Amino acid sequence: EIVLTQSPGTLSLSPGERATLSCRASQSVTRSYLVWYQQKPGQAPRLLIYAASNRATGIPDRFSGSGSGTDFTLTISRLEPEDFAVYYCQQYSSSPWTFGQGTKVEIK
Amino acid sequence: QVQVEQSGAEVKKPGASVKVSCKVSGYSLRAFSTHWVRQAPGKGLEWMGGFDAEEGEIMYAQKFQGRLTVTEDTSTGTGYMELRSLRSEDTAVYYCTTPRLGPGAFDIWGKGTVVTVSS
Repeated sequence: EIVLTQSPGTLSLSPGERATLSCRASQSVTRSYLVWYQQKPGQAPRLLIYAASNRATGIPDRFSGSGSGTDFTLTISRLEPEDFAVYYCQQYSSSPWTFGQGTKVEIK
Repeated sequence: QVQVEQSGAEVKKPGASVKVSCKVSGYSLRAFSTHWVRQAPGKGLEWMGGFDAEEGEIMYAQKFQGRLTVTEDTSTGTGYMELRSLRSEDTAVYYCTTPRLGPGAFDIWGKGTVVTVSS
C-alpha cells in the first residue's frame, strides 16, 4: 500500500499569501496518478488537480500542482478567503487507492 | 446537469448490515462507474472500493474484503454499497463518487450518507 504523507499538518497564513502544500509517497506514484482535493466543513471533497498538474473544470488558476514520482506539491499563489479549508492528496496508481491525512490551511 | 442523490441517514446496531444507494443523472453508469469513500467523524478520507476501468473489475480495499459489496444497476443509474458485520468504527459519512478525469480522479461527489453504528 502506498502511504501518502502530507506536510505541514496545519498552515497558518493570511489572505493574499502563498500556500505550498507537500505530499510525499512511500513509493513511486506511476503515470502521475495523483490528485488534490479541497474539503470544507460539512461538504464533500472538491477535485482541484488531477494527474498531478491539471486543473479540474472551474478551478481558478491560482491553484497549481506539480511533482512526480514520490514528491508532489499543491501551490495556491494568493490565498482568497474561500481557500481556507482542508486539502487532501490521493493516489490511484496502485490499489488500494489511498489519501494523505490532510493539510489544514487556516487564517492567521 | 450532473447530479448525484444518495440515500438517507442510517442508524444500525453492531453486527448488522447497511446498504447505501446513489442515483446519478446527467451521465451514464455505463460510461463512468461509482466508487465509495468514507470519512469517520473528524478524520480523513478513506477509499473503500469501486469499478476500476483499467483493471476491468470491481476493486476493494483489503481492509473491507469479505464485508463490502459494491454493485451498480446501469438501467436505473443507481450504485449501491453494502457493508456487513458493522462495528462502531464504521460510523462515518459514506460518499458516492465518480471518476471522469482518470481512473481514480473523483470529480463528481454525492453529499454523503451518515451511517451511525451504535448499540
